[in-house]
Amino acid sequence: EVQLEDSGGGLVQPGGSLRLSCAASGFTFSDYWMNWVRQAPGKGLEWVASINQNGNEKYYVDSVKGRFTISRDNAKNSLYLQVNSLRGEDTAVYYCARDGVDAGLYFDLWGRGTLVTVSS
Amino acid sequence: DIQMTQSPSTLSASVGDRVTITCRASQSISSWLAWYQQKPGKAPKLLIYKASSLESGVPSRFSGSGSGTEFTLTISSLQPDDFATYYCQQYNNYYLTFGQGTKVEIK
Repeated sequence: EVQLEDSGGGLVQPGGSLRLSCAASGFTFSDYWMNWVRQAPGKGLEWVASINQNGNEKYYVDSVKGRFTISRDNAKNSLYLQVNSLRGEDTAVYYCARDGVDAGLYFDLWGRGTLVTVSS
Repeated sequence: DIQMTQSPSTLSASVGDRVTITCRASQSISSWLAWYQQKPGKAPKLLIYKASSLESGVPSRFSGSGSGTEFTLTISSLQPDDFATYYCQQYNNYYLTFGQGTKVEIK
């Protein structure tokens, strides 16, 4: 079955760190750009970061630049998001998402999401 | 950044109604637009990409149109399973942005 399984969320204090993971299965992971998208409670969707197939091209939304790092391990079919210096406004469900099969920067496969709560 | 503005924010409709949601971009994005459906507590689901291409497995009552700065998502005959929130997303460049969402409610 083609799927993404996100994990690693939790409750963290302001200024803290977490490493989010996304395990891919059922498709050739190394063929796709991969992404993180987040959704604050009761709010809309916000793109966070993207990474190309071999990991040498990365893009971030301005609000996370310098604090978040996207990476991947194609041998393990896994995507990661290292989130540092967390703020209250980073509280959200974080989804990993696969790029569209025609290499478009839209998302045709999503994980179930992992909740990050930043609070003291 | 390219800003995406959806209208309306909320839409009340009945089963069988034809429903249209509009998405406007702050600058031209050609046809680089996708539409998603999201239900409470669930991940978004891709409906339409490249403005008018229907994703595999999505019912044909969903259609998309437009180019440049103005786009529409149409549901030709609203079904009970379609009550959800819909988002547009532009992918004209590597700084991806979503509309704020349109909630389709039962009238």
